[in-house]
Amino acid sequence: DTEVTQTPKHLVMGMTNKKSLKCEQHMGHRAMYWYKQKAKKPPELMFVYSYEKLSINESVPSRFSPECPNSSLLNLHLHALQPEDSALYLCASSSPGAGNTIYFGEGSWLTVV
Amino acid sequence: GENVEQHPSTLSVQEGDSAVIKCTYSDSASNYFPWYKQELGKGPQLIIDIRSNVGEKKDQRIAVTLNKTAKHFSLHITETQPEDSAVYFCAASNRGYSTLTFGKGTMLLVSP
Repeated sequence: DTEVTQTPKHLVMGMTNKKSLKCEQHMGHRAMYWYKQKAKKPPELMFVYSYEKLSINESVPSRFSPECPNSSLLNLHLHALQPEDSALYLCASSSPGAGNTIYFGEGSWLTVV
Repeated sequence: GENVEQHPSTLSVQEGDSAVIKCTYSDSASNYFPWYKQELGKGPQLIIDIRSNVGEKKDQRIAVTLNKTAKHFSLHITETQPEDSAVYFCAASNRGYSTLTFGKGTMLLVSP
């Protein structure tokens, strides 16, 4: 079962709201990722967690706050976002280490109004 | 850092034709090259990948070739079908956490 599940599929939030995106995988992967994808562009890496610890933060603004409560779950907490943050947010997972297959979820479509 | 160039940006073919998408990478340390298919409104789906110790890999109608010396790799789809229509991304990875650098994508349109 190569499945990464993301909720919600669609989210509309105001610039003063606080919301969270959730991601779950049951493949036993110990590396999890958040990517951001704008229309007609490739995914851009935001964060990497390895063994539940934040390993990479690609200089993402602090209004995005990731959390990895356990090896199966990954959250992205959103606060005081801007309209330009509207995008598809993709969660992914893999076994840690170079050259391991990364599996993506279907994404959460975020619209900031 | 790694830079991945992908061509063409759009590709239109007739059903049954072959399609070829090409990518080049800059970092000779890159050792893993996946291809993803992304349909409208969905997340990227891995369709095939190749590692640097292999020159070619095939899975039914899909094949990938890798030329490490020239630092380029290609996706070949034979006997294309309308359901192959999607955006295809190549990627390269050399970092310890399997992070990917993506090409800009190719929109493949297969006409019946």
